[in-house]
Amino acid sequence: SQQGEEDPQALSIQEGENATMNCSYKTSINNLQWYRQNSGRGLVHLILIRSNEREKHSGRLRVTLDTSKKSSSLLITASRAADTASYFCATDSGNTPLVFGKGTRLSVIA
Amino acid sequence: GAVVSQHPSWVICKSGTSVKIECRSLDFQATTMFWYRQFPKQSLMLMATSNEGSKATYEQGVEKDKFLINHASLTLSTLTVTSAHPEDSSFYICSASEGGWYGYTFGSGTRLTVV
Repeated sequence: SQQGEEDPQALSIQEGENATMNCSYKTSINNLQWYRQNSGRGLVHLILIRSNEREKHSGRLRVTLDTSKKSSSLLITASRAADTASYFCATDSGNTPLVFGKGTRLSVIA
Repeated sequence: GAVVSQHPSWVICKSGTSVKIECRSLDFQATTMFWYRQFPKQSLMLMATSNEGSKATYEQGVEKDKFLINHASLTLSTLTVTSAHPEDSSFYICSASEGGWYGYTFGSGTRLTVV
């Protein structure tokens, strides 16, 4: 079953702008991960945040997690045309399969 | 780092034939492998979970007789789409886990087109 819901479904921005994507989930989780997928390609793992963490950074990526609201956000700063892709959040509850959200299609216009 | 190889990358087959997709963990032992299906512009939907040496656990709505999963070794799982139909055309992605959150290494996916 699908748990995560990304918001917005599609986002179009100019190069250099920041992109913010949100993800909400329904049940308790152990970890939340963000993945990127270029059109028709496999998944690339971006970042993992544990349920006891509130914020994590990796390069131009910043992820927040609010377990009280069951939501997470992914911020990409100073976006580039190469960031154009679909971004998915995925959650797990221990040794369970990842459950993916519907994804946000990000278009960065040069 | 952990690498999962998925083969083939793409396949075109005739309606009614069967197609086998392989998923191999190259540098770790995958106690559990997951198979996902992704339709265009949609998210990944879990099809089944397979543990080495035991029968796969299928998600609701996934026909186990149509999507045969074999996980005979700690490094290989196969998904066979039997009697494929055009509606089975999709992107199939495997994921392998060696336990804990360190798992979840994804293959590059297989684009199946049934004509």
